[in-house]
Amino acid sequence: EVQMVETGGGLIQPGGSLRLSCAASGVTVNNNYMAWVRQAPGKGLEWVSIIYTDGRTYYADSVKGRFTISRDNSKNTLYLQMNSLRVEDTAVYYCARSLLGVNDYWGQGTLVTVSS
Amino acid sequence: EIVMTQSPATLSVSPGERATLSCRASHSVIINLAWYQQKPGQAPRLLIYGASTRATGIPARFSGSGSGTEFTLTISSLQSEDFAVYYCQQYNNWPPGTFGQGTKLEIK
Repeated sequence: EVQMVETGGGLIQPGGSLRLSCAASGVTVNNNYMAWVRQAPGKGLEWVSIIYTDGRTYYADSVKGRFTISRDNSKNTLYLQMNSLRVEDTAVYYCARSLLGVNDYWGQGTLVTVSS
Repeated sequence: EIVMTQSPATLSVSPGERATLSCRASHSVIINLAWYQQKPGQAPRLLIYGASTRATGIPARFSGSGSGTEFTLTISSLQSEDFAVYYCQQYNNWPPGTFGQGTKLEIK
């Protein structure tokens, strides 16, 4: 059974940093494309970032230069380092396995609230 | 970036009836189109990929059709557990895989 558990969310002031983790089981992080998708309160889904099996990374324009996706193969864990956080980054952040763009397994999400 | 537009924003349908949800792409995505279901407080769940292929464990009452820029998700006979928000997502021009804004399917 595939399971992905996100942690690391919380309340943070604008300009602050936060690192999200996504611990996976039943799927090997470094053998799959892994993505982060977010959802602002009451809004739709927004793709944030992806890391390919060969290590290439891509980001939405809205987070480019501020967010960094990475993985730890030994821990089978995906990360999202978020710097220079803005109020508009407030959202539930989901990790997902991405099969060439199709997100078939999702975690339950972790809430990030950016507010002073 | 390809823009995905879903209609209607809200659809009211009675249990047992058929629901038809639409998704339009600003440019052709061929059949690289997925549908997701999301219930309150839950993560999205993959329903359909390749425009018409049901994901593992998805009931046959869910069907997808279309190609190019026009797509449809049909739920043939609505069950109580089907009332949720539905999102389409293109993955032809990817990353990013852009999502539609969602259609809320509510009980009439």
